[in-house]
Amino acid sequence: DVKVTQSSRYLVKRTGEKVFLECVQDMDHENMFWYRQDPGLGLRLIYFSYDVKMKEKGDIPEGYSVSREKKERFSLILESASTNQTSMYLCASSSGGRATDTQYFGPGTRLTVL
Amino acid sequence: GENVEQHPSTLSVQEGDSAVIKCTYSDSASNYFPWYKQELGKRPQLIIDIRSNVGEKKDQRIAVTLNKTAKHFSLHITETQPEDSAVYFCAASMDTGRRALTFGSGTRLQVQP
Repeated sequence: DVKVTQSSRYLVKRTGEKVFLECVQDMDHENMFWYRQDPGLGLRLIYFSYDVKMKEKGDIPEGYSVSREKKERFSLILESASTNQTSMYLCASSSGGRATDTQYFGPGTRLTVL
Repeated sequence: GENVEQHPSTLSVQEGDSAVIKCTYSDSASNYFPWYKQELGKRPQLIIDIRSNVGEKKDQRIAVTLNKTAKHFSLHITETQPEDSAVYFCAASMDTGRRALTFGSGTRLQVQP
C-alpha cells in the first residue's frame, strides 16, 4: 500500500518567515508533486520532480522553491511567506515516468500565514 | 499549456438519482483523463480514468465518457448514495512530454438521503 506522508497537518507562520513543507513516500516512486488547493480553484501544480535533484515548474511556481536530495523526499520551500500563501498544500507521488501513472496524495498541510 | 474547465462547481442530488459532472479541455494533444475523488478531510484518490482510444469506460456505478472532437469528458454516477458525497476533480494530460496533470476546479457533490 502506497504511503505518502507530510510533516505537518497544520502550520501557522508569520509573514516573512521561511517555511519548509516536507513530503516523504515509501514506494520508490520517481515522480513527486506539490499542489496547493484553494476553494473554487481546484488543485494547482506548484512544482514537480521526476528524479533526484531534478525539478520542473508547475503552473504557479512564483514565491516557492523545491528540493529533492533523496528519491523519497520532496520539500516545498516558501522563502518569505506571505498571507496570500495561506492554503492547503498537497504532496503526491507516482511510480513511473509518465503523466498517466496514478498519483497518490498525502494528507495535506493546512498552512496559515499571519 | 492545457486548461481544464469543470462544471458545475456544486451539485446536489437525491439519493438514488444520477449525477453528471462535465469537463472541457483545451489541448487537443491531451489523451489521458482521470477523475479523482476527495472525501471531506481526506486525500484525493483516483476513481476512474479514460484514454483517448476509447469513448466510454464503466466501473460499477461510475462511468466516464469522452468526446475528443468536442474536447469534453464527463463523469456519470448512477444510483447515488450518501458515500458518494465528495469533491470530484477531473484532469487531463498527455502520456508523453510534461509528466504532470492539469486539474479542473472541482465539483462538490452532495447526495441528500
